Amino acid sequence: DAGVIQSPRHEVTEMGQEVTLRCKPISGHDYLFWYRQTMMRGLELLIYFNNNVPIDDSGMPEDRFSAKMPNASFSTLKIQPSEPRDSAVYFCASSFTGSGNTIYFGEGSWLTVV
Amino acid sequence: KNEVEQSPQNLTAQEGEFITINCSYSVGISALHWLQQHPGGGIVSLFMLSSGKKKHGRLIATINIQEKHSSLHITASHPRDSAVYICVVLPNTGNQFYFGTGTSLTVIP
Repeated sequence: DAGVIQSPRHEVTEMGQEVTLRCKPISGHDYLFWYRQTMMRGLELLIYFNNNVPIDDSGMPEDRFSAKMPNASFSTLKIQPSEPRDSAVYFCASSFTGSGNTIYFGEGSWLTVV
Repeated sequence: KNEVEQSPQNLTAQEGEFITINCSYSVGISALHWLQQHPGGGIVSLFMLSSGKKKHGRLIATINIQEKHSSLHITASHPRDSAVYICVVLPNTGNQFYFGTGTSLTVIP
């Protein structure tokens, strides 16, 4: 299996632009997580899905952030409009209830908003 | 108030030393994860615990539910163990996860 695949790996964008981060979870996994990591706040869970349904989005910082999971093999995290303080590494991860809940992480999307 | 506290924040050890990283939490939990983040940024899930002890190679994780405490041990530490180790708890009520701030480990040859 290719693991959790995220794109883009790196993105530099101007303040005010829309940013879309993409994630393909491991096939068969029923949980998908979006995390953000910054130096100041460490690793934070933004939102997670179970069977494509958002379960908890209380970590989403504000209305500029939205996440969707239209099907079991694809999810997006969108920031509109982006701000410099959104600069961070965004990780997607997936897990399967039957695997002992081991979480498999993607390599992250490094976002810089200038 | 941080629901998860890790200690130490930073740790430097000589190769071969036995290492312990601690995680204390204040909420009732259904499970606890230990994550490892390498200097390049990649994150690996090491263990998921709900009770007792798990071992994988040189890594051992224990949890004491009554004391709300978990430890991650590394035996015969090696420079490739240098990473940030993060404790994550899943409360038994609600859906939110709580993260520790991480322990940065450096193992010197």
